[in-house]
Amino acid sequence: QKEVEQDPGPLSVPEGAIVSLNCTYSNSAFQYFMWYRQYSRKGPELLMYTYSSGNKEDGRFTAQVDKSSKYISLFIRDSQPSDSATYLCAMSGSPNDMRFGAGTRLTVKP
Amino acid sequence: EADIYQTPRYLVIGTGKKITLECSQTMGHDKMYWYQQDPGMELHLIHYSYGVNSTEKGDLSSESTVSRIRTEHFPLTLESARPSHTSQYLCASSEYFPPYEQYFGPGTRLTVT
Repeated sequence: QKEVEQDPGPLSVPEGAIVSLNCTYSNSAFQYFMWYRQYSRKGPELLMYTYSSGNKEDGRFTAQVDKSSKYISLFIRDSQPSDSATYLCAMSGSPNDMRFGAGTRLTVKP
Repeated sequence: EADIYQTPRYLVIGTGKKITLECSQTMGHDKMYWYQQDPGMELHLIHYSYGVNSTEKGDLSSESTVSRIRTEHFPLTLESARPSHTSQYLCASSEYFPPYEQYFGPGTRLTVT
C-alpha cells in the first residue's frame, strides 16, 4: 500500500463548478500538507500548504486537512478553464520524507 | 516565484551518447532533488543531495549519476543513453526547515532514439 493515495481521475467539470480533490495517507508523522499544480509538460508549482489539521483559504482555493481521518482536500471554487491541470498532493514530517500523490488530472470545460 | 532552472528543456539524442542535464537554483537551498516522471504518471525520486559533496540515491533505481560541487548546481549525467531513459526529468530544491516545500524547475524532456 502506498503512503499517499490520490485518485488519478481524470476529472472533468463545467466552468464555474466547485472542484474537490482528495488524498489519503497512512503515515501519522506527516504534519505539513501541500498542493501542487502541474500544467502539461511543465514542472509542478506550489499552490499552498497547511500545517496540521484545519482549513486554509487562498482566493478560490481552500485546503483542508483532517489528521484524525488522514484525509486532505483541495477545493476550487468558480473553476476556470485555466485551472485545467494535474493536481498533486504532497506531505512531509521532516526534510527527508516528502511524499507525493500520483496526481489528479482536472479538465474545466468552458 | 521559484528560481530554479533546467537546461536543456528538450533533448533528442541517439543511443549510447553521454548526456548531462543541468539544474541550477538561486535560492541558496541546501537540499536538491532529481525526479523522473513519465507522461501522466507520478513523480519518482531518483537522486537527492543534502548539500555540497552529498549525494544519495532515491526510491527509484536509476543508471544516472549526480554531483554536487556547488550549492546552486546539481547536474545529472547519463554515461550511455538508452531508449528506456526516455522520460521527463524534474529538478527541485527545498529548505531544511518546515514545511520543507519543494520548488521545481520546468523539467527536461529527454528522448533517446
